[in-house]
Amino acid sequence: EAQVTQNPRYLITVTGKKLTVTCSQNMNHEYMSWYRQDPGLGLRQIYYSMNVEVTDKGDVPEGYKVSRKEKRNFPLILESPSPNQTSLYFCASSPGAFEQFFGPGTRLTVL
Amino acid sequence: ELKVEQNPLFLSMQEGKNYTIYCNYSTTSDRLYWYRQDPGKSLESLFVLLSNGAVKQEGRLMASLDTKARLSTLHITAAVHDLSATYFCAGSSNFGNEKLTFGTGTRLTIIP
Repeated sequence: EAQVTQNPRYLITVTGKKLTVTCSQNMNHEYMSWYRQDPGLGLRQIYYSMNVEVTDKGDVPEGYKVSRKEKRNFPLILESPSPNQTSLYFCASSPGAFEQFFGPGTRLTVL
Repeated sequence: ELKVEQNPLFLSMQEGKNYTIYCNYSTTSDRLYWYRQDPGKSLESLFVLLSNGAVKQEGRLMASLDTKARLSTLHITAAVHDLSATYFCAGSSNFGNEKLTFGTGTRLTIIP
């Protein structure tokens, strides 16, 4: 089944404790993105990647890192999480210039 | 910098009625997306509009794009309860990359 998977789906952590949210797609898509969704703000793009080893900042990259060492994986790294990074995170992949396929989401709470 | 604005933010309508959601954007956008999100769920792609005058229809939903007016619309015909969801539009100002800007969403509630 073609899909985008994210892990974990739910995470509660404390300020400053490094964490990684994994994202994997099995559709051989070149493009992958990370978004955060906050009430009243819609979705805001954090980072995107157009291919292996090619990443670029979205609208809200501060406090986040990404890497794209393999085509299928695009992990999101929070080196020192803070409470303002409490949010719902979505990973998405796309074959390019067409619809994006979204993962199920990761709900992160930073205490 | 591309800005995308949707209205209305909230829409409550009766079954069987027609209505339109509007998506305005601030600078040239080479494509326009519409997504649906059910409560507690992920986003589902509805339409991708790639050129001026593009019109796409799926069931009771029809989306159109007017690049000169920088406006896309999502028209709902004879609404049914199953269409209750939040609808997002998103644009991209650079063809060939995936830097997308989303609107804040329209929460649609269909009342029996």
